Amino acid sequence: NAGVMQNPRHLVRRRGQEARLRCSPMKGHSHVYWYRQLPEEGLKFMVYLQKENIIDESGMPKERFSAEFPKEGPSILRIQQVVRGDSAAYFCASSLNQGNQPQHFGDGTRLSIL
Amino acid sequence: TQLLEQSPQFLSIQEGENLTVYCNSSSVFSSLQWYRQEPGEGPVLLVTVVTGGEVKKLKRLTFQFGDARKDSSLHITAAQTGDTGLYLCAGDTGTASKLTFGTGTRLQVTL
Repeated sequence: NAGVMQNPRHLVRRRGQEARLRCSPMKGHSHVYWYRQLPEEGLKFMVYLQKENIIDESGMPKERFSAEFPKEGPSILRIQQVVRGDSAAYFCASSLNQGNQPQHFGDGTRLSIL
Repeated sequence: TQLLEQSPQFLSIQEGENLTVYCNSSSVFSSLQWYRQEPGEGPVLLVTVVTGGEVKKLKRLTFQFGDARKDSSLHITAAQTGDTGLYLCAGDTGTASKLTFGTGTRLQVTL
């Protein structure tokens, strides 16, 4: 299966802990996007990365959230000092190039904060 | 802020009926994508339309991109229970490639 792989599928954290979400793009794709889907809401863009570069982070909260896409390995979305409001499904998508290239999504990580 | 409004928000129909879902915006998009999302899964790409007025068919599904590239529609002919799901449109302005998602249409097809 050469699809977008996200892990873990489910993650439970207590308030104040750190959450790390991983995304391996489709084979050959060098563009990665993170989206958040809050309960009963639509998907909202968070950040767009290429290898080793953040291209657009206009949808990222200013504090506690960071993302990286290293030269080797998966893209990581990191949430520090989690709060209840961070509970959501986090989806990663990848595309071959930017522009009109379609984005293919993983099955998401469902983050629950106790 | 670009907004994509989808209508209807919910739709419950019987198998064999036809339906149309609309996706409207005041913004122009360079391309528009339609996805279907099942519970607990990620959105699955159905189609991408890029040219104003373009019509694409995928078996019983017909997608149209408005002439001004501000709106789109999805028409399903003879719906089946397997069509049940959340349908999402998403627009790309082409400048930064981030997708702006619509509000979603939740379709339920019953026997």
